Amino acid sequence: GQNIDQPTEMTATEGAIVQINCTYQTSGFNGLFWYQQHAGEAPTFLSYNVLDGLEEKGRFSSFLSRSKGYSYLLLKELQMKDSASYLCAVRDRRYGNNRLAFGKGNQVVVIP
Amino acid sequence: DADVTQTPRNRITKTGKRIMLECSQTKGHDRMYWYRQDPGLGLRLIYYSFDVKDINKGEISDGYSVSRQAQAKFSLSLESAIPNQTALYFCATSAGRNFTGPPGELFFGEGSRLTVL
Repeated sequence: GQNIDQPTEMTATEGAIVQINCTYQTSGFNGLFWYQQHAGEAPTFLSYNVLDGLEEKGRFSSFLSRSKGYSYLLLKELQMKDSASYLCAVRDRRYGNNRLAFGKGNQVVVIP
Repeated sequence: DADVTQTPRNRITKTGKRIMLECSQTKGHDRMYWYRQDPGLGLRLIYYSFDVKDINKGEISDGYSVSRQAQAKFSLSLESAIPNQTALYFCATSAGRNFTGPPGELFFGEGSRLTVL
C-alpha cells in the first residue's frame, strides 16, 4: 500500500507562514491532493499536483517532488480561520485511477 | 443545499443493532465512496462504486456492506454494529469523465457521526 506520512500538529501565529510536509511511498503515483478539514466538517479541496513544481492559489501553495516522494503545502498570511486539519492524499494507479489514499492529517492551530 | 447529502447526521445505537447510513448526490457523478475517519488514523476507504453495477471493497470492508441503488444513491450498512465502529463516516463522489477539475477529486458529504454503545 501507500505509506503517507504527515506530522500531526503545529501551532503558528496569525500572519505567519506555515509549511506542512507530506511524504509518500508508492510505485503507482498518479497525483497528490491537499484537502482542508475544519473540526467535524467535510474535507474541502485545496490543491492538486501531478508534475514536479509549485502550484500557487492565493495564500496557499503546494509543491511536489516525485523523485523524493515529497510534497508540502505552504500557508501564507495565516488567518484564524486557517485553524484546521490539512490532509494529504495520493492518487494511486494500481488501484483504479480514481482511488485516493489519505495521510492522517496535520492539525494547524493559529493563535493571535 | 449540499450536493452530497448524508443521513442521518448523528446516530447513537447499541451493540448488535443494524444501522444504515444513506448518501445521495446531485452532482451527476458516476463514482461514490464510503470512508470512515477516526482520530489519529485519518480517512480510510470502506467501499467504493464506479457505477450502479460495480461494488468494490476498500481497505477496511469487514463488518460493512453497501448498496448502490441508483447512480445518485449509495448506502452503507452495519449488519451488527460493534463499539469499534464508532466513527465519523463520510460519503464522497468523483466524476468519471468530462470533468474540468483535477482527475480523482473527491467531493465529500457533511459526515455521519455514529456512536455504538
